[in-house]
Amino acid sequence: AQSVTQLGSHVSVSEGALVLLRCNYSSSVPPYLFWYVQYPNQGLQLLLKYTTGATLVKGINGFEAEFKKSETSFHLTKPSAHMSDAAEYFCAVSPFGQLTFGSGTQLTVLP
Amino acid sequence: NAGVTQTPKFRILKIGQSMTLQCTQDMNHNYMYWYRQDPGMGLKLIYYSVGAGITDKGEVPNGYNVSRSTTEDFPLRLELAAPSQTSVYFCASSTTGGAEKLFFGSGTQLSVL
Repeated sequence: AQSVTQLGSHVSVSEGALVLLRCNYSSSVPPYLFWYVQYPNQGLQLLLKYTTGATLVKGINGFEAEFKKSETSFHLTKPSAHMSDAAEYFCAVSPFGQLTFGSGTQLTVLP
Repeated sequence: NAGVTQTPKFRILKIGQSMTLQCTQDMNHNYMYWYRQDPGMGLKLIYYSVGAGITDKGEVPNGYNVSRSTTEDFPLRLELAAPSQTSVYFCASSTTGGAEKLFFGSGTQLSVL
């Protein structure tokens, strides 16, 4: 069975600072990996995904994530946080077609 | 494009009541899903469907039922509401499973009192 662990349920950064949201996964087969973002009172939206090929994946709004097989990680980063990045972020894995989500990380951006 | 539309947005039920959460999509997607979201727990898959007439259980199906008579619609039925079903419910769709992204509805906030 697959699983996802997101380290840190709440992360606070200052505007302009680096954003780092951590995600580790377990999967018995090579996984597909995703990051979704949820703004208040909305459904989830896809930020980026890794399927095959290049391990550094670029997504929308300046976010990127790197698939590291040896570390079973897929951490999400953004060089400079913006106030509009405040939201909840979910990592997800899909080795067999059904997504398994992590418990989420709430990102707060401080002025 | 409407995308994935869920109704109602909010609902309060009494214990033992029943209701149907509606979900419709206009993107001709084969795959549809129902998730529930509880604080600090992420999203848990309740049921999914890979096409009209085909449904299967997800991680937390107990207390729920679904049907898929058309490609567009995927209603979720609660027969005997319990406080443990208080949650936010999201419907989603995708062209196929696996690597394809999910399109989510805006959610239904359900409280069972």
